[in-house]
Amino acid sequence: EADIYQTPRYLVIGTGKKITLECSQTMGHDKMYWYQQDPGMELHLIHYSYGVNSTEKGDLSSESTVSRIRTEHFPLTLESARPSHTSQYLCASSPHEGRRTDTQYFGPGTRLTVL
Amino acid sequence: AQKITQTQPGMFVQEKEAVTLDCTYDTSDPSYGLFWYKQPSSGEMIFLIYQGSYDQQNATEGRYSLNFQKARKSANLVISASQLGDSAMYFCAMREVFYNTDKLIFGTGTRLQVFP
Repeated sequence: EADIYQTPRYLVIGTGKKITLECSQTMGHDKMYWYQQDPGMELHLIHYSYGVNSTEKGDLSSESTVSRIRTEHFPLTLESARPSHTSQYLCASSPHEGRRTDTQYFGPGTRLTVL
Repeated sequence: AQKITQTQPGMFVQEKEAVTLDCTYDTSDPSYGLFWYKQPSSGEMIFLIYQGSYDQQNATEGRYSLNFQKARKSANLVISASQLGDSAMYFCAMREVFYNTDKLIFGTGTRLQVFP
């Protein structure tokens, strides 16, 4: 059973606001990921990290930024939210064992609505 | 590039019946992993089952089994004895490992509805 947490679960905010979506895991996993998912659609990778002080951009271009100062924490920040950022954001983690069996475990997601 | 295709946008099944959700994939990598996730309306992604490209047997996890046909590049999920709680979106995914990249490629999903 995976222990990965995201807050807030739901967020409604006005255009231009700065927001931070929190993601934490207690499994000591090195690898962490952020995915973006529009309703009823597939997931797209927007950021990932292989460990502390490591961050990379994913396939889908995103105006968000991430940081990885501690192993267990991988927050995502939007400096100025826009309606186009309305989506669900899912955080995931996996062990860094280099095996293809390494499963990614997901948090409950944050549903962001920008008015 | 790797690709996952799920051709069934929606499926209906009666409670206690079995259902098969289709997934085909495309990769030139001889070593790969395939995953199925369930996403209820609450939004979280729940890992169900994994199949490795070199596994000799089809994966099984309780009521979930994976019909893996390597030559046809298909990895269909079979849910036996469907329950009302199985109603959800189901995503097939493939792990892509390339240099410094390690990520999951997802299909577009199948919405399963179980009716009494």
